[in-house]
Amino acid sequence: GAGVSQTPSNKVTEKGKYVELRCDPISGHTALYWYRQSLGQGPEFLIYFQGTGAADDSGLPNDRFFAVRPEGSVSTLKIQRTERGDSAVYLCASGGYGSGVNVLTFGAGSRLTVL
Amino acid sequence: GENVEQHPSTLSVQEGDSAVIKCTYSDSASNYFPWYKQELGKRPQLIIDIRSNVGEKKDQRIAVTLNKTAKHFSLHITETQPEDSAVYFCAASGDDYKLSFGAGTTVTVRA
Repeated sequence: GAGVSQTPSNKVTEKGKYVELRCDPISGHTALYWYRQSLGQGPEFLIYFQGTGAADDSGLPNDRFFAVRPEGSVSTLKIQRTERGDSAVYLCASGGYGSGVNVLTFGAGSRLTVL
Repeated sequence: GENVEQHPSTLSVQEGDSAVIKCTYSDSASNYFPWYKQELGKRPQLIIDIRSNVGEKKDQRIAVTLNKTAKHFSLHITETQPEDSAVYFCAASGDDYKLSFGAGTTVTVRA
């Protein structure tokens, strides 16, 4: 696609529930990143994919968080047993070899609210 | 891991004046330093970046300088306009391609 697309744009859930957030990167971009942004803070790194594999998942806060990118394009961030502290905007970004894998284009984000 | 610190956290300037935001980084292996602008409720957008093989880069009213020895880099906006009001983030990464962001600077341009 022309840009990075994220769905849903807003998600309200109850504590303890499971959520999935989807990211559709720019077509042809091999690198895909997930970041989390809390109010008044900079984006916080969660995980980075190069193709289908997670090249670096050191930012995932705990084992309730998991992300996949099975075909090297669309990625899903999965959060189990959500907690109120998980409330934030989850940003996806992609990068490609033309400009550089770390020259990121961000999506509009998925705002997660855990009640 | 990389730690990026950004100052000031807020900056108010008169329209037409210059704005300067400074960042420091901890990892000497970092070699890519982008700046992102984020308007309220919008996505971060890349406005300028610099790689470690150059010391300065300009694009119209914005410029970035890099001092690798001191491990700091700065964003300079000249002739500020109301549309420059936003939150600005600096970031740094190395060959691991993992961007670490500063906490942001809220810039307000007073008309």
